[in-house]
Amino acid sequence: SQELEQSPQSLIVQEGKNLTINCTSSKTLYGLYWYKQKYGEGLIFLMMLQKGGEEKSHEKITAKLDEKKQQSSLHITASQPSHAGIYLCGAPGGTSYGKLTFGQGTILTVHP
Amino acid sequence: SAVISQKPSRDICQRGTSLTIQCQVDSQVTMMFWYRQQPGQSLTLIATANQGSEATYESGFVIDKFPISRPNLTFSTLTVSNMSPEDSSIYLCSVVAGEGTDTQYFGPGTRLTVL
Repeated sequence: SQELEQSPQSLIVQEGKNLTINCTSSKTLYGLYWYKQKYGEGLIFLMMLQKGGEEKSHEKITAKLDEKKQQSSLHITASQPSHAGIYLCGAPGGTSYGKLTFGQGTILTVHP
Repeated sequence: SAVISQKPSRDICQRGTSLTIQCQVDSQVTMMFWYRQQPGQSLTLIATANQGSEATYESGFVIDKFPISRPNLTFSTLTVSNMSPEDSSIYLCSVVAGEGTDTQYFGPGTRLTVL
C-alpha cells in the first residue's frame, strides 16, 4: 500500500521567514493533494498536483511535484501567523476509488 | 468547490450509546466519503457512502459499528454505534464534486469524545 512521509513533523518559524514542507511517497504519485487543518477542525483544500514537474501557487503558498512524481514540496514565503496549522499531503490510490492516503502531517507554528 | 456542513460540530457521549453524524452538501456530488482522525493521528478512510446502496467499507471497519446512509446526492449520515472511549475522534465527511474533477473537499468535522 502507498505510504506518505512528511518532513519535518513540526516547524516553528518567526513571522516573515520562508519555509518548506516535504512529502515523499513510497510509490509513484498519480495525484497529490495539499490541505491545511486548524486544530480540531476540518481540512481546507490548498492545491492538487497531477503532472510531473507541475507547480502551483496560491497567494504565498507554492506547491511542486517532482518530475519522478514521488515527492512534493510546499513552500510558504514570508510566513504569517495565519499560516499556522497542520499541513497534510494526501494521495489517491489503493483499492478504493477516491480514497486518499495521508501523510502524518506537519505542525506549523509561526511566532509574531 | 462544494460547501459542506456537518452536524453536530462536537459532542460528548457516554460509553455504550450511539451518535449519528450528518453531512450536507450544497450541490449534488458524485462521491461522498467518511474519514476518522484519531487524536494525534492522520486521517483514515472509514467507508465510501454510495447513493441508494450499501456503503463500501475499508478494512477494519464494519457496518454494524459504523452504519452509513446516503439517501440522495447531497446528504449522508454516519452512525457510531455502541461507543467506547477508543471511538473518540474527529469524524469528517468529504466529497468529490462532480465530473471532470478529482478534487476532494472536506467538511468541518465532528469532534466526538466518549466518556
